[in-house]
Amino acid sequence: ILNVEQSPQSLHVQEGDSTNFTCSFPSSNFYALHWYRWETAKSPEALFVMTLNGDEKKKGRISATLNTKEGYSYLYIKGSQPEDSATYLCAPRRSGNTGKLIFGQGTTLQVKP
Amino acid sequence: EPEVTQTPSHQVTQMGQEVILRCVPISNHLYFYWYRQILGQKVEFLVSFYNNEISEKSEIFDDQFSVERPDGSNFTLKIRSTKLEDSAMYFCASSVRWDQPQHFGDGTRLSIL
Repeated sequence: ILNVEQSPQSLHVQEGDSTNFTCSFPSSNFYALHWYRWETAKSPEALFVMTLNGDEKKKGRISATLNTKEGYSYLYIKGSQPEDSATYLCAPRRSGNTGKLIFGQGTTLQVKP
Repeated sequence: EPEVTQTPSHQVTQMGQEVILRCVPISNHLYFYWYRQILGQKVEFLVSFYNNEISEKSEIFDDQFSVERPDGSNFTLKIRSTKLEDSAMYFCASSVRWDQPQHFGDGTRLSIL
């Protein structure tokens, strides 16, 4: 069983604060890590797919890093805005071509204006 | 932008009844998935489907569950005899390739009475 842990479970920050969360996963048979952003009453939206150790991806104010050897990824949000309020899910994928994603429980971010 | 659509948005069914959840994946996508989220729990993988057959299924996906792509556009999940514990949000997703980001629908909330 692939155990994926995300921390913290929830986070409340003020508008303009920068924040980061962690995704931990077993490093064996690692193939890729997906990050999703999930707003209330909407569908999960893909943010990043990361595959290489040391990989860094960026999309606007959101960036992510990947360490496949120790099995973790960080997601950073610079200068949080109220529209960043959402649940952020990570999902590692193991070797194999079925596309199966195993999700963590998510980090719920609330940005107060 | 093309999107995955799911119907109905909410389904209420008596325990023991059959239910069919419907999905229209993005038209050029070849890989299809079902996930579910029981209230307060992680999003769980149910099944992946490619080339008209199941490529992987989870332990949850027992004989009561089946998937079908009856025509070129729909992808359905059938639960033959529903149980109370099947109450959850069911998400359909699709992707161009197995290693590409998955695009999710808005989900069907299934309530078993």
